[in-house]
Amino acid sequence: AQKVTQAQTEISVVEKEDVTLDCVYETRDTTYYLFWYKQPPSGELVFLIRRNSFDEQNEISGRYSWNFQKSTSSFNFTITASQVVDSAVYFCALISAGAQKLVFGQGTRLTINP
Amino acid sequence: DTGVSQDPRHKITKRGQNVTFRCDPISEHNRLYWYRQTLGQGPEFLTYFQNEAQLEKSRLLSDRFSAERPKGSFSTLEIQRTEQGDSAMYLCASSLTGQGLNQPQHFGDGTRLSIL
Repeated sequence: AQKVTQAQTEISVVEKEDVTLDCVYETRDTTYYLFWYKQPPSGELVFLIRRNSFDEQNEISGRYSWNFQKSTSSFNFTITASQVVDSAVYFCALISAGAQKLVFGQGTRLTINP
Repeated sequence: DTGVSQDPRHKITKRGQNVTFRCDPISEHNRLYWYRQTLGQGPEFLTYFQNEAQLEKSRLLSDRFSAERPKGSFSTLEIQRTEQGDSAMYLCASSLTGQGLNQPQHFGDGTRLSIL
């Protein structure tokens, strides 16, 4: 069975602080994809990144960076110099190659205080 | 670019009533998905279509739920004889095949269902 665990239910930081959201996954498949989505108060899930299981290169996009480590089955997400607009619920998700069902974690509610 | 569109945004109804939601995917996307999200949880997969064919259904999709995508474009999700436990956000997503496996699913704003 596949499972995604986001142990941090809520995180609150002051603006400009760096913050890391943890994601640990379980799967028996050798080929799979990992995703991060952002859900602002409006409700729409916004796609942030997709990573396949064979690509462990870390990725940076502006203030966002992702650290994928197969050895620890983790796919962590760091926001540097956080801003109030980063406040949202963030979901990590997993899908097997060729499958259609995204398996989501429970989400981490991130609050950035001015 | 027009994203995934869902209608209505909110639906309040009495227990026992039937409700229907609509989803319009991104125009060139051939796959369409329905998920359900309850408060404080991540979305859970309900079903998906490739074009007009419904190819997978979750065990969460009881007999009271039915989804259609008659012409391979928009989709409807109907819940019959609604129950309190059906209160949730219903999310629709779409994706495009043909450009490699597991292209990202793009989500709409969701329909929030409240059962009185």
